[in-house]
Amino acid sequence: TQTVSQSDAHVTVFEGDSVELRCNYSYGGSIYLSWYIQHHGHGLQFLLKYYSGNPVVQGVNGFEAEFSKSDSSFHLRKASVHWSDSAVYFCAVSDTGNYKYVFGAGTRLKVIA
Amino acid sequence: GALVYQYPRRTICKSGTSMRMECQAVGFQATSVAWYRQSPQKTFELIALSTVNSAIKYEQNFTQEKFPISHPNLSFSSMTVLNAYLEDRGLYLCGARRVTNSDYTFGSGTRLLVI
Repeated sequence: TQTVSQSDAHVTVFEGDSVELRCNYSYGGSIYLSWYIQHHGHGLQFLLKYYSGNPVVQGVNGFEAEFSKSDSSFHLRKASVHWSDSAVYFCAVSDTGNYKYVFGAGTRLKVIA
Repeated sequence: GALVYQYPRRTICKSGTSMRMECQAVGFQATSVAWYRQSPQKTFELIALSTVNSAIKYEQNFTQEKFPISHPNLSFSSMTVLNAYLEDRGLYLCGARRVTNSDYTFGSGTRLLVI
């Protein structure tokens, strides 16, 4: 069974700051790792994913994430945030066999202008 | 591009009544459709996964008797919340995936309010 842990429920930064949202997972098999964003009152928007290859993956709007097998992590980063990045971010793990996504609890990012 | 539409966007139903929600894949063939529920202030829980030519698989705590799902073709799925009560309120999200793509494309969700 996959589990996903997002240790920070809330993160607050100023516009222009860098940010890292943490995600740790637990699973021994072959998996996909993804990040999604949910703006208030809306559904999920895909940001990026990792399956294999370069552990640093680039996503939309300047986001990137780095996979670390040794740390069982897939942290999301952005070098310079904008107020419009304020949203809830979900990390997800999916087994490549059944494609069942397991989502973390989410991290609410607040960017102060 | 690949899009998933869900309707209605928002709905209110009286306690004890039922509510049907729909999910339409546009621009691709959805071989798998996943239905999730996000209860207030919580993360997304998988209700069931529907794959063409396979039985619909419900997760623990969710049953076909409570959340019957139809997936009649590669572009459409519907789910009904039967006998809805307060604990059923939340955002119901549909995700559709094509066989060659690992990513689900999610709709904007149907927000259910039970009064």
